[in-house]
Amino acid sequence: GENVEQHPSTLSVQEGDSAVIKCTYSDSASNYFPWYKQELGKRPQLIIDIRSNVGEKKDQRIAVTLNKTAKHFSLHITETQPEDSAVYFCAPAVAPGAQKLVFGQGTRLTINP
Amino acid sequence: DSGVTQTPKHLITATGQRVTLRCSPRSGDLSVYWYQQSLDQGLQFLIQYYNGEERAKGNILERFSAQQFPDLHSELNLSSLELGDSALYFCASSISQGAGETQYFGPGTRLLVL
Repeated sequence: GENVEQHPSTLSVQEGDSAVIKCTYSDSASNYFPWYKQELGKRPQLIIDIRSNVGEKKDQRIAVTLNKTAKHFSLHITETQPEDSAVYFCAPAVAPGAQKLVFGQGTRLTINP
Repeated sequence: DSGVTQTPKHLITATGQRVTLRCSPRSGDLSVYWYQQSLDQGLQFLIQYYNGEERAKGNILERFSAQQFPDLHSELNLSSLELGDSALYFCASSISQGAGETQYFGPGTRLLVL
């Protein structure tokens, strides 16, 4: 099965700075790479995803970059704001076909004012 | 609001008891996934149903079972509860049975076993 690791496990940045979270996976067949955000006490929500036919995708202040050769993808948040404080999970998968998502252990991002 | 509903929101029970958690997927979604999230832990996949049939199993204990009904709502049954079963239980839904579709999570049921 898929082995997924996220780094770092905790990240603290100053408001306005950038944050980068990396997700490493083991299954070379993975072709779907989502990032979920979970605010304290709330449900996980998909914030951005990418498929293996593209190397980068951007949506306002967040972006995801993919390195299929090295089997990792990263979440980039620029101009961080207090509302970006949350736990972020990656969940690479093989699509279609994979029956479940294997989530990384999560990265707790804290934005300091 | 994701469109996925879960009841109850909170549940407090004693060890050895049995509880049922309920999930209604988004309109049109055929897949339901169940996850367990313990304190400061990640999301552990338990089980998936698609259109009434079990499709995938994760680290689900034998004391736990689930089913999806013809109206597509799903129930997760937890029996012989232990202290370690205290956790947040999420269900999620998606349109298809594959994992490459966006999963929409419900608000969760917080279970406390005393």
